Amino acid sequence: GAVVSQHPSRVICKSGTSVKIECRSLDFQATTMFWYRQFPKQSLMLMATSNEGSKATYEQGVEKDKFLINHASLTLSTLTVTSAHPEDSSFYICSAPQQGRYGYTFGSGTRLTVV
Amino acid sequence: ELKVEQNPLFLSMQEGKNYTIYCNYSTTSDRLYWYRQDPGKSLESLFVLLSNGAVKQEGRLMASLDTKARLSTLHITAAVHDLSATYFCAVDNWHNNDMRFGAGTRLTVKP
Repeated sequence: GAVVSQHPSRVICKSGTSVKIECRSLDFQATTMFWYRQFPKQSLMLMATSNEGSKATYEQGVEKDKFLINHASLTLSTLTVTSAHPEDSSFYICSAPQQGRYGYTFGSGTRLTVV
Repeated sequence: ELKVEQNPLFLSMQEGKNYTIYCNYSTTSDRLYWYRQDPGKSLESLFVLLSNGAVKQEGRLMASLDTKARLSTLHITAAVHDLSATYFCAVDNWHNNDMRFGAGTRLTVKP
């Protein structure tokens, strides 16, 4: 079945540095990728939607310049957290619509810890 | 704006008991999803409900959808410890083809 490979699974970075998270669709073309953030014991909140070859659409309250999204190919979408701060520590999950059927395929998630 | 309300948020059950989790949503939607999340893990798809009256069952879990009431239920039958997890319902926003999630129900099944 459809698989979205997300890397890294865990990352610890220092405040002020940038971190890139990758999501690759392995056996299908993902023209759209959704990026979610999940704080501990909370639900998933949609941050942005990326579409291959065009600018990402950000949800209200999500800083475009801080969370850079690139969807340069049909199989790769990336989220870069720039100038990370401890409050950016969270679980980030990507998902892509499945092809030819209803539903979404989720990446395995990235646990970001900013120290 | 599409809103999804889920209750209860916390559920502690004894093994062998039955219970239902409820999911209400605010606007017309194409599809209703149920997911399971184990601690530290991503989401596992349980059910996709596409039409009014849809009912799906897998093992001890059964999901149903009433589009007129904008309500879905996830029924747990004879709970076992392995069902302990957080369960989310989610609804498509057909305008944007993205999902909005409920707050989640943290289920604990005790021996």
